[in-house]
Amino acid sequence: DGGITQSPKYLFRKEGQNVTLSCEQNLNHDAMYWYRQDPGQGLRLIYYSQIVNDFQKGDIAEGYSVSREKKESFPLTVTSAQKNPTAFYLCASRGTSGDETQYFGPGTRLLVL
Amino acid sequence: GEDVEQSLFLSVREGDSSVINCTYTDSSSTYLYWYKQEPGAGLQLLTYIFSNMDMKQDQRLTVLLNKKDKHLSLRIADTQTGDSAIYFCADSGSTGGYNKLIFGAGTRLAVHP
Repeated sequence: DGGITQSPKYLFRKEGQNVTLSCEQNLNHDAMYWYRQDPGQGLRLIYYSQIVNDFQKGDIAEGYSVSREKKESFPLTVTSAQKNPTAFYLCASRGTSGDETQYFGPGTRLLVL
Repeated sequence: GEDVEQSLFLSVREGDSSVINCTYTDSSSTYLYWYKQEPGAGLQLLTYIFSNMDMKQDQRLTVLLNKKDKHLSLRIADTQTGDSAIYFCADSGSTGGYNKLIFGAGTRLAVHP
């Protein structure tokens, strides 16, 4: 069953703590993306990666970091420098030939304690 | 810069047609997408239209594209309670979504008996 998985579904962060959100895909897609969703707003791009070992900043990268060591995995770390991390985080992936649509995972809701 | 705008709320009676509208600013867009988001879930691709098309029909869904006015609409025929959700319009921009999608704020569709 092909798709994108994100874990955990809910994540709590304490002050000064770094937390990592997981995103895995078995669609054999080269490109992966992280978006942030705030209530009443559209999705905003945090980081994206077109290929393993390469990634680019999106529109709101400050306070976040990523890695892309494997094609299947694109974890996002929310660092203590991100002062307003409470949001719904969505991971997406995209093929590079034929179907160029971005497909989304189920999301992770991050809450601050 | 690139922007996508949608009305925020639409209420329809069950069995009626729903029309959700979207305007975009990037005249070099290649694909325009409609995604559906149910509460607490990720985004589900509903349909998309290539920029050289005027209309696309897929079962109960009809997408109309007016490139001159940069206006996109999604018509849902025979709207059901299961169609209640937030609908996002997204623009691939000139890169065809290679780098990112540009999202509207979403239209919340409420279907009542």
